[in-house]
Amino acid sequence: DTAVSQTPKYLVTQMGNDKSIKCEQNLGHDTMYWYKQDSKKFLKIMFSYNNKELIINETVPNRFSPKSPDKAHLNLHINSLELGDSAVYFCASSATGRETQYFGPGTRLLVL
Amino acid sequence: KNEVEQSPQNLTAQEGEFITINCSYSVGISALHWLQQHPGGGIVSLFMLSSGKKKHGRLIATINIQEKHSSLHITASHPRDSAVYICAVNRGSTLGRLYFGRGTQLTVWP
Repeated sequence: DTAVSQTPKYLVTQMGNDKSIKCEQNLGHDTMYWYKQDSKKFLKIMFSYNNKELIINETVPNRFSPKSPDKAHLNLHINSLELGDSAVYFCASSATGRETQYFGPGTRLLVL
Repeated sequence: KNEVEQSPQNLTAQEGEFITINCSYSVGISALHWLQQHPGGGIVSLFMLSSGKKKHGRLIATINIQEKHSSLHITASHPRDSAVYICAVNRGSTLGRLYFGRGTQLTVWP
């Protein structure tokens, strides 16, 4: 009965590879987010979708492409991974854009 | 300079002590959030407030809109309160967009 789930939990990969992270929420929320937490634990918004429409697209390299097949899912695809992409990526959701956000457990990405 | 500043960056306390973490912001906001990140990495929302004060168990959050300042208080602190506490604000101009402080690492010793 996990509210916001992410897969995988850990991802170790080589530079140059392409990888995807999946997020699903079963809370019936309309808005979903991707955040990046750097090595100093600073969180920053990457993308947000409301009812499958992209509403926030932060200054993120275009190697990162989010996809929302439906309101309950928001995936993140990363092309040509670089060392600097190593971070923890959190998915979150909220009922609307002005409510409490519920976070997934995070995906720890390590690029070697 | 970050729109959201927290202090202190690190805080160590003895079990039972009263804890205060401060958050100041420099932009107009529609709401302020306090989040807790456990040592295991999970993030939990503690409070969302736009005015006044909220209380949940031993946690109290206050906000002063005029002074652009919020505090998170923990009464009778316990080692299980050890975590990173993060302040974040909704600027209101973009739906759901949160701006985060850099967090306060709290360690409570028994």
